Amino acid sequence: EPEVTQTPSHQVTQMGQEVILRCVPISNHLYFYWYRQILGQKVEFLVSFYNNEISEKSEIFDDQFSVERPDGSNFTLKIRSTKLEDSAMYFCASSESEGRPEAFFGQGTRLTVV
Amino acid sequence: EDQVTQSPEALRLQEGESSSLNCSYTVSGLRGLFWYRQDPGKGPEFLFTLYSAGEEKEKERLKATLTKKESFLHITAPKPEDSATYLCAVQVSGSGGSNYKLTFGKGTLLTVNP
Repeated sequence: EPEVTQTPSHQVTQMGQEVILRCVPISNHLYFYWYRQILGQKVEFLVSFYNNEISEKSEIFDDQFSVERPDGSNFTLKIRSTKLEDSAMYFCASSESEGRPEAFFGQGTRLTVV
Repeated sequence: EDQVTQSPEALRLQEGESSSLNCSYTVSGLRGLFWYRQDPGKGPEFLFTLYSAGEEKEKERLKATLTKKESFLHITAPKPEDSATYLCAVQVSGSGGSNYKLTFGKGTLLTVNP
């Protein structure tokens, strides 16, 4: 069964460093998302991406965040200068089409900023 | 502001003891309501999509229903392997043709004891 894959599963980084989280969405899906979940809290929307551009971003997704689809299969989230409060699980998700809007999630990258 | 409230926060059942989880929502216009299962340290796993009041979906021991204000996830004769956090999420209409972001509730932690 097709699935969304994310790497790495766990990343530890020093405050102020840049990190790139990587995702391979399901191959025939057109819509891509990043969500995050701080420990013990709800899953929060960060950004959606369609047709090679951001379609919506949340208040969380400020100038330190960026997304890219560098080729036909990868989808990345970059955090330019990490803060302690960026520590969370980051989930990539994809959905197929307007008629099939259910999002399928990867297993997540646990980001720990020290 | 779109809101999703799930209750109870936690539910402990004996194996075979049926029950229901509640998801109430306040949105400007509902495009779809989604149920996910999340195991500890993992990404949300898609279960159901509901679009209109009166709709029902079933999968094994789970049945999801939808009214104009809330959704229920009914669990019939649960087994220990049904233990997980169950998440409810909504997609709102009118947010743009290329954005299908989800707004999640905090989830219900279900524990089924043998």
